[in-house]
Amino acid sequence: DAGVIQSPRHEVTEMGQEVTLRCKPISGHDYLFWYRQTMMRGLELLIYFNNNVPIDDSGMPEDRFSAKMPNASFSTLKIQPSEPRDSAVYFCASSPNQGRGGETQYFGPGTRLLVL
Amino acid sequence: AQSVSQHNHHVILSEAASLELGCNYSYGGTVNLFWYVQYPGQHLQLLLKYFSGDPLVKGIKGFEAEFIKSKFSFNLRKPSVQWSDTAEYFCAVSITGGGNKLTFGTGTQLKVEL
Repeated sequence: DAGVIQSPRHEVTEMGQEVTLRCKPISGHDYLFWYRQTMMRGLELLIYFNNNVPIDDSGMPEDRFSAKMPNASFSTLKIQPSEPRDSAVYFCASSPNQGRGGETQYFGPGTRLLVL
Repeated sequence: AQSVSQHNHHVILSEAASLELGCNYSYGGTVNLFWYVQYPGQHLQLLLKYFSGDPLVKGIKGFEAEFIKSKFSFNLRKPSVQWSDTAEYFCAVSITGGGNKLTFGTGTQLKVEL
């Protein structure tokens, strides 16, 4: 398996532009997570899905952020309009649901976003 | 809500030194505990995890961690570190029945010097 795939790996954009980050989870995984990593705040969970349904979006910083999962193999995180404070590394992760608890999350390589 | 504390933010060790990184969590119910590692420029990878059974968990690359329920702790240990262990280490917790949602600590940056 190729693991979790994210694109693009790097994104540089100007303030006010729309940014779309993409994620393909590991096939067969029921859960998908979006995280943001910054020096100041560490790793923050933004939103997660179970079977394509958003379960908890309490970590989404504000209305400028939105996430979708139209099918089991694809998710997007969109920022519109982007601001310099959105600069961070955005990770996608997926995990199976084996019913035992403690399922491992498998992380993608991340998208390094710089908003100028 | 649960939270995770990692008290050591930066640790510098010489090769062959022993390592112990502290992790404490706050939650009164049943938890699952994880240590992830992020090597420079790479994504997070699982080192080890505890969800039931023996509280002493062994992971990859010679790492181990012990779950001490009475202390709400899950400290990571390695008897002899190598230069290649230089990385950032994250402790995380999920609640059993909580939908696999992980709460991460702030991370510990480990630098191993030759």
